[in-house]
Amino acid sequence: DIQLTQSPSFLSASVGDVVTITCRASQDINSYLAWYQQKPGKAPQLLIHAASSLQSGVPSRFSGSGSGTEFTLTISSLQPEDLATYYCQRLNSFPLTFGGGTRVEIK
Amino acid sequence: VQVLQSGAEVKEPGESLKISCKGSGYTFTNYWIAWVRQMPGKGLEWMGIIYPGTSETRYSPSFQGQVTVSVDKSINTAYLQWSSLKASDTAIYFCAKTSGYYYSFDSWGQGTLVTVSS
Repeated sequence: DIQLTQSPSFLSASVGDVVTITCRASQDINSYLAWYQQKPGKAPQLLIHAASSLQSGVPSRFSGSGSGTEFTLTISSLQPEDLATYYCQRLNSFPLTFGGGTRVEIK
Repeated sequence: VQVLQSGAEVKEPGESLKISCKGSGYTFTNYWIAWVRQMPGKGLEWMGIIYPGTSETRYSPSFQGQVTVSVDKSINTAYLQWSSLKASDTAIYFCAKTSGYYYSFDSWGQGTLVTVSS
C-alpha cells in the first residue's frame, strides 16, 4: 500500500509568516492528492484537491503544489484562524490513505 | 449540502452498535460516502466507503472484517456497524461525501463519539 509521510509533524510560526508543509508518497500518485484542515474539535475541511486546485470558498493564502511523490501545502501569510492540524490524502485508488498530520501553532 | 450524523454513544465491550449518516441537499445516490476514524489525540484513518447508487463497498485492510458499511438509499442514509465492540473502538467517527473529483471529501458530518467502556 502507498504510504503518505508528512513533515514536520508540528510547527510554530508567527502571524504573517509563510508556512510550508510537505507530504511525501511512497510511490508515484501523479496529482491525486488533497489537503484538509482540521480545527480543534471540528470536522476536517477540504482545502485543495488535485494537488493544486483550491476548493471553493478557501482563502487564497492557501496553495498547493507538486506531483509524483512530493507535494507541498503553503500558507502565504499565516493568520490566527489557521491554528489547526493539516492532513494530506491520496485520492485515486484504494486503500485511500491520509498522512499523519501537521499541527500548526501560532506563536 | 449537508451530512448529518447520529449522536454520541456509550457502550460496553461486546455490545453491537450501528451509527448513521444522512445526506441532504444533493443526489445521494451519485456520490460515495466514506467513514473515517479519529482516535483520541490521533490522526485520520480511512475505514471504508460505499456508493449508494449500487451499494458497492470497499474497506481498508485495517478494518476489513471489523466493521460493516451499509446504506439505505430510500432514506438517504449510510451506516457503520460493529457486532462486538472493544475498548479500542473508542473514537470519533466521521462520515464524508465525495466531491466528484476522485475520492476527495467536500462535506463532512459533525462526527459521532463512540465510547466503549465497562
